[in-house]
Amino acid sequence: DGGITQSPKYLFRKEGQNVTLSCEQNLNHDAMYWYRQDPGQGLRLIYYSQIVNDFQKGDIAEGYSVSREKKESFPLTVTSAQKNPTAFYLCASSIQGMRQPQHFGDGTRLSIL
Amino acid sequence: GESVGLHLPTLSVQEGDNSIINCAYSNSASDYFIWYKQESGKGPQFIIDIRSNMDKRQGQRVTVLLNKTVKHLSLQIAATQPGDSAVYFCAENTSGSEKLVFGKGTKLTVNP
Repeated sequence: DGGITQSPKYLFRKEGQNVTLSCEQNLNHDAMYWYRQDPGQGLRLIYYSQIVNDFQKGDIAEGYSVSREKKESFPLTVTSAQKNPTAFYLCASSIQGMRQPQHFGDGTRLSIL
Repeated sequence: GESVGLHLPTLSVQEGDNSIINCAYSNSASDYFIWYKQESGKGPQFIIDIRSNMDKRQGQRVTVLLNKTVKHLSLQIAATQPGDSAVYFCAENTSGSEKLVFGKGTKLTVNP
């Protein structure tokens, strides 16, 4: 079945450590997005990419990095510079960018050890 | 400023009743709106969308109403079922903007 796969489902990070969250889609969507969700909050945009080898900062990009080497993949790295990384991270994709519904994966929950 | 909010953070209804979830937006230039459903531990699931050239759009058991005059959006769920229990988010986009702005969500609880 077509969809968006995020892995791992749970991830733990030690102080000073970088961690990478995986997001893969087989929907042939051009655009991909990363959001952060804190308890009782809406989604905040971290980074997005409209096309391979190009990406843009969202509202809360500091402490995060991304790459878009393949259409199907948009990994997110949470760097040690992100001082409050504990959150639920959601990846999404869409056909033509923001004017089309975004389809979401089931998220990765990141916690600090 | 650009923001999307909700009138009620929680809503409790009886099974079989109709549910109405509200959303207010402040950006009068917003012209595309989406409703999502998020179950615990899962990603948001697309329910229905509406563009500003429409006032109403219907799906299966759901209806979205858009009142541009008062910048208000609502999601109506007919014959609410226990499986409808979730957090519901509205989101909006403005033509020319790359961002989809999400509200904080309303938690819907359906009582048997």
